Amino acid sequence: DAGVIQSPRHEVTEMGQEVTLRCKPISGHDYLFWYRQTMMRGLELLIYFNNNVPIDDSGMPEDRFSAKMPNASFSTLKIQPSEPRDSAVYFCASSLSHNEQFFGPGTRLTVL
Amino acid sequence: AQSVAQPEDQVNVAEGNPLTVKCTYSVSGNPYLFWYVQYPNRGLQFLLKYITGDNLVKGSYGFEAEFNKSQTSFHLKKPSALVSDSALYFCAVTWEGGYQKVTFGTGTKLQVIP
Repeated sequence: DAGVIQSPRHEVTEMGQEVTLRCKPISGHDYLFWYRQTMMRGLELLIYFNNNVPIDDSGMPEDRFSAKMPNASFSTLKIQPSEPRDSAVYFCASSLSHNEQFFGPGTRLTVL
Repeated sequence: AQSVAQPEDQVNVAEGNPLTVKCTYSVSGNPYLFWYVQYPNRGLQFLLKYITGDNLVKGSYGFEAEFNKSQTSFHLKKPSALVSDSALYFCAVTWEGGYQKVTFGTGTKLQVIP
């Protein structure tokens, strides 16, 4: 398996623009997680899904953030409108039930 | 609520010497504990976990960790450090009833000096 795949790897956009981050989890995994990593706040869990259903989105910063998982092999994290404080590395991870998480390479987002 | 603390922002160790990266935790119920490593510009990689059983857990790349319930600690260790071990290490905790919501520590940067 290729592991967790994220795209794009780098995204530079201007304040106010819509940003969509994409993730393909490992085949067969039933949990999918979105994290954000910054120097100031460390690694933060934004939302996670179980069998494509959002279970806990309490980490989503505000209504500008939304996440979907239309099927078992694809998830998106959308920011609309984006702001400079959203600049961070966003990670997607997947796991099989009660096991360790496998992380993707991350998307480095810069909002100017 | 669960929490995890990594008291050292950075640990420096000479190549060939033993290394320890500290982690303490707080959780209601039986803890599930993990160590992950992050190399520059990469995602986190799983090293090892404690769920139940033997308190000494062995993982990837020669790392091991000891679960100490009385001290609520889960320190990461390696008998002989390599320069290639230099990276950012994260301890993480969850609990038996809430596995999915894992709390990560702030990370410890390990620098192995040649």
